[in-house]
Amino acid sequence: KAGVTQTPRYLIKTRGQQVTLSCSPISGHRSVSWYQQTPGQGLQFLFEYFSETQRNKGNFPGRFSGRQFSNSRSEMNVSTLELGDSALYLCASSLEGLRYEQYFGPGTRLTVT
Amino acid sequence: DAKTTQPNSMESNEEEPVHLPCNHSTISGTDYIHWYRQLPSQGPEYVIHGLTSNVNNRMASLAIAEDRKSSTLILHRATLRDAAVYYCILVLYNTDKLIFGTGTRLQVFP
Repeated sequence: KAGVTQTPRYLIKTRGQQVTLSCSPISGHRSVSWYQQTPGQGLQFLFEYFSETQRNKGNFPGRFSGRQFSNSRSEMNVSTLELGDSALYLCASSLEGLRYEQYFGPGTRLTVT
Repeated sequence: DAKTTQPNSMESNEEEPVHLPCNHSTISGTDYIHWYRQLPSQGPEYVIHGLTSNVNNRMASLAIAEDRKSSTLILHRATLRDAAVYYCILVLYNTDKLIFGTGTRLQVFP
């Protein structure tokens, strides 16, 4: 069974731009979650989507948004990028939700200059 | 607010057992305790999770204190491949909100 895939793996953007990251979950998984990982803040939960609906949300500003498609693939968008948005963005999928075993992708390394 | 506390780092020798502690004194009765680990340059990997009873799987054991205010991840025989950052995570039942620990960096020496 193929694992969680994320594209692109690396990305460099300029302050003020926007970015869209993509995540393809494991086949059959309906829950997709997004996380931000930085050296200073560690792992932080962004949001979770289940059956195309945002079910849970972390404490991030509205510049961070996402969506999930009918095939469970998910995208995350960050608008008006700031230097502090530089991070590793991780996507995870699970069968039913956050209470269950989550499978993480390798992440997208975003650098904002 | 719920939070978890983990030691920043621990060391072990290969083939020895490792006990990784996590304190979650504000946990409520229905919050799940999850453990993940992250190897260098990889995404986190699921290790184990539990609610009240101790749990075992092929990777590790999870010992949960009777009052649930702490838990311990047990690696029975550490290998070099177990060198990673181990995260203790609470999944709050009512909201499914996740509370992350800061992680424990485990070093394993041959």
